[in-house]
Amino acid sequence: DAGVTQSPTHLIKTRGQQVTLRCSPKSGHDTVSWYQQALGQGPQFIFQYYEEEERQRGNFPDRFSGHQFPNYSSELNVNALLLGDSALYLCASSLRTTNLDNEQFFGPGTRLTVL
Amino acid sequence: GNSVTQMEGPVTLSEEAFLTINCTYTATGYPSLFWYVQYPGEGLQLLLKATKADDKGSNKGFEATYRKETTSFHLEKGSVQVSDSAVYFCALGYTGRRALTFGSGTRLQVQP
Repeated sequence: DAGVTQSPTHLIKTRGQQVTLRCSPKSGHDTVSWYQQALGQGPQFIFQYYEEEERQRGNFPDRFSGHQFPNYSSELNVNALLLGDSALYLCASSLRTTNLDNEQFFGPGTRLTVL
Repeated sequence: GNSVTQMEGPVTLSEEAFLTINCTYTATGYPSLFWYVQYPGEGLQLLLKATKADDKGSNKGFEATYRKETTSFHLEKGSVQVSDSAVYFCALGYTGRRALTFGSGTRLQVQP
């Protein structure tokens, strides 16, 4: 079992550009959540997808959007990049239940640098 | 809104020392509480959790007790090892919602 995988590992973009990050969930998981972790900070929830729809959203602007595919993999898109978007972007997968005891598994993240 | 406050790091200890990392929270209702660990170059791993007041979560020698009266969930370990060097995050969440609220993290450095 490969666990949660993310690509690319690192990415450098310039202000105003657009970026797409990818996540493959752990085998058997159907729910993907995205978090932004700025340097020296804890992760901040961006949004969550299951059944190919956005189900919950944190306090992030519409420049942040996502998609989930039928195989449960997911993409995070960020438009009109700002310097402040530089961060580690984490993907977490889980099996959708109402029981929070169901653990979320995190990927290693994608390090985005905006110049 | 909900928030989690952790003690600032880095925390530097010698091997076999006792560890405490403080965590307090502000939340409505009855959240579950978690400790996650992040090793260099890796994603977060769940270390332990507690789902109701007075519950004690434990794993790999680490323990934390959910104290509703003091809104705290301090992480402890009796004897740390060099391999415990990592960043530790306290977090809270609610049943039925997948979003977690994290603290800012505490870096632990254990010296041989």
